[in-house]
Amino acid sequence: KAGVTQTPRYLIKTRGQQVTLSCSPISGHRSVSWYQQTPGQGLQFLFEYFSETQRNKGNFPGRFSGRQFSNSRSEMNVSTLELGDSALYLCASSTLTVNTEAFFGQGTRLTVV
Amino acid sequence: DQQVKQNSPSLSVQEGRISILNCDYTNSMFDYFLWYKKYPAEGPTFLISISSIKDKNEDGRFTVFLNKSAKHLSLHIVPSQPGDSAVYFCAASGPGGGADGLTFGKGTHLIIQP
Repeated sequence: KAGVTQTPRYLIKTRGQQVTLSCSPISGHRSVSWYQQTPGQGLQFLFEYFSETQRNKGNFPGRFSGRQFSNSRSEMNVSTLELGDSALYLCASSTLTVNTEAFFGQGTRLTVV
Repeated sequence: DQQVKQNSPSLSVQEGRISILNCDYTNSMFDYFLWYKKYPAEGPTFLISISSIKDKNEDGRFTVFLNKSAKHLSLHIVPSQPGDSAVYFCAASGPGGGADGLTFGKGTHLIIQP
């Protein structure tokens, strides 16, 4: 069974640009969550999608958005990038909710210069 | 305000001995707890979980203990092996099936010394 796939693995963007990250969950998993990992803040919850609907959103500005497609693949978009958005962005998939085992992808390392 | 705290940024343990990683939480609504292990340049890997209705869960070398009255959980690894060297994250979720996402601690870097 293929794991969670995140693309791209590495990305360098300049301030003010926008970026789209992609996540393909494990086949059959309908819940996809996004997390931001930074050295100072650790892993922080961005949002979770289930059956194409955003069920909840963490404490991040509106520049961070996402969507989920009918095949459960998810994208995350960050507009007007700031230096502080440099982080590892992790996607996790699970069958129903994150109360079950959530399987993480390897992440996308975003660097904003 | 950090709802899940791992107060030890790092821990060094000799190979073959017991590793004990600790985690404290403040939100009494949390009802499910998970431990993840993370190697550099990889995503976190699920290790073990425990529901708030239990006080212990065991899986091979890994045992998680939950003390609800103290809002404290711990992960015991016995015996510790070199491959256990990694960052360990404690995570918690609340009622509603975790739709609020997992709340993570900042991690403890476990170093197993030969």
